[in-house]
Amino acid sequence: GESVGLHLPTLSVQEGDNSIINCAYSNSASDYFIWYKQESGKGPQFIIDIRSNMDKRQGQRVTVLLNKTVKHLSLQIAATQPGDSAVYFCAENVVGAGGNKLTFGTGTQLKVEL
Amino acid sequence: NAGVTQTPKFRVLKTGQSMTLLCAQDMNHEYMYWYRQDPGMGLRLIHYSVGEGTTAKGEVPDGYNVSRLKKQNFLLGLESAAPSQTSVYFCASSYIGVGYTGELFFGEGSRLTVL
Repeated sequence: GESVGLHLPTLSVQEGDNSIINCAYSNSASDYFIWYKQESGKGPQFIIDIRSNMDKRQGQRVTVLLNKTVKHLSLQIAATQPGDSAVYFCAENVVGAGGNKLTFGTGTQLKVEL
Repeated sequence: NAGVTQTPKFRVLKTGQSMTLLCAQDMNHEYMYWYRQDPGMGLRLIHYSVGEGTTAKGEVPDGYNVSRLKKQNFLLGLESAAPSQTSVYFCASSYIGVGYTGELFFGEGSRLTVL
């Protein structure tokens, strides 16, 4: 899951296996959540988002699950490929008195082993 | 498709020097943002713009200034660089505000080191 420490948590998976990356959030006022992928030396790239009124959303090889009861979000990657190696982080949009604010997590390093 | 382009990609400054980071987007997006990324922390918003000629403060604006004179460009300035500003800076853009979408388009980043 996400970490506020100096070292990112790492998930190692074998090529072809499914990956599950987790994210915990704390704000009940979040109205949508996003997953980003960041390859080494590059900028973050949008993967998929999910509204707070949804439990599940599927994209190409990816599925995001939202459990509002325990404030937990997960990204599932099917048939993980070497090109999936990257840092993945979640973000949430919180609606407050100051307007909308996107808050980003610290990320999980996904390593795909051949 | 260029998308979001940042210049320079790397820069080393001495404490007290000034510099400007340039961000250019060719997607005709209204909204543009400057973030910084530090180890162990998530992206933090420095300043943003909701359209040409507008700017607004984000989460960590102190020590930075911005300008949006043209819709496609968003400049981030450091007037007097400090070691605490050593970071990787990302520019991003979106076609509508974050109240409606979390899909931001990011540049490749500018790594700044302040000695």
